[in-house]
Amino acid sequence: EAGVAQSPRYKIIEKRQSVAFWCNPISGHATLYWYQQILGQGPKLLIQFQNNGVVDDSQLPKDRFSAERLKGVDSTLKIQPAKLEDSAVYLCASRQGNYYEQYFGPGTRLTVT
Amino acid sequence: AQSVTQLDSQVPVFEEAPVELRCNYSSSVSVYLFWYVQYPNQGLQLLLKYLSGSTLVKGINGFEAEFNKSQTSFHLRKPSVHISDTAEYFCAVSAGPNSGNTPLVFGKGTRLSVIA
Repeated sequence: EAGVAQSPRYKIIEKRQSVAFWCNPISGHATLYWYQQILGQGPKLLIQFQNNGVVDDSQLPKDRFSAERLKGVDSTLKIQPAKLEDSAVYLCASRQGNYYEQYFGPGTRLTVT
Repeated sequence: AQSVTQLDSQVPVFEEAPVELRCNYSSSVSVYLFWYVQYPNQGLQLLLKYLSGSTLVKGINGFEAEFNKSQTSFHLRKPSVHISDTAEYFCAVSAGPNSGNTPLVFGKGTRLSVIA
């Protein structure tokens, strides 16, 4: 079974530029999460999807971050414009039904200069 | 809301020695508890989870953890560590039964360094 795929793995941009990350969850997993992991900290939830609907985006900085999950499969996370403090690893995770294990992708390491 | 405190940011230990990584949580409702491991430049891998039942949970790679409700703790242990156990370990909590697909709340992580 293929795992959660993310791309790109690394991205370096200048502040005020835009960037987008892509996530392909495990086939059949209805729930998809985006987490932000700043260096030295644990992952923090940005947004949770159930199929193509948003369940929780209370911690998403909506003035600059946006996310979508068209057709309830792949998802993209966008930052526009980026700030220095957005430098982090962005992790995507997916979950099947009522099983409580989340499967994580390898992450995208973003550096904003 | 739930929160997690990992009491040690770094734990150095000699190879083949035992190790304990400490985790305390806070929640007003019943919880599910998890330990994840993160190797350099990789995503998170589940080590073990407590959902219900026996408070002693066994996971992969020889790790185990004990759920202590009165102490609100979920410490991770391994009787004999290997060099390959060097990694970052995260304790996480989510709301328990009847709470739906709630997200995980993570601690800040403990860096385990195994010394040869």
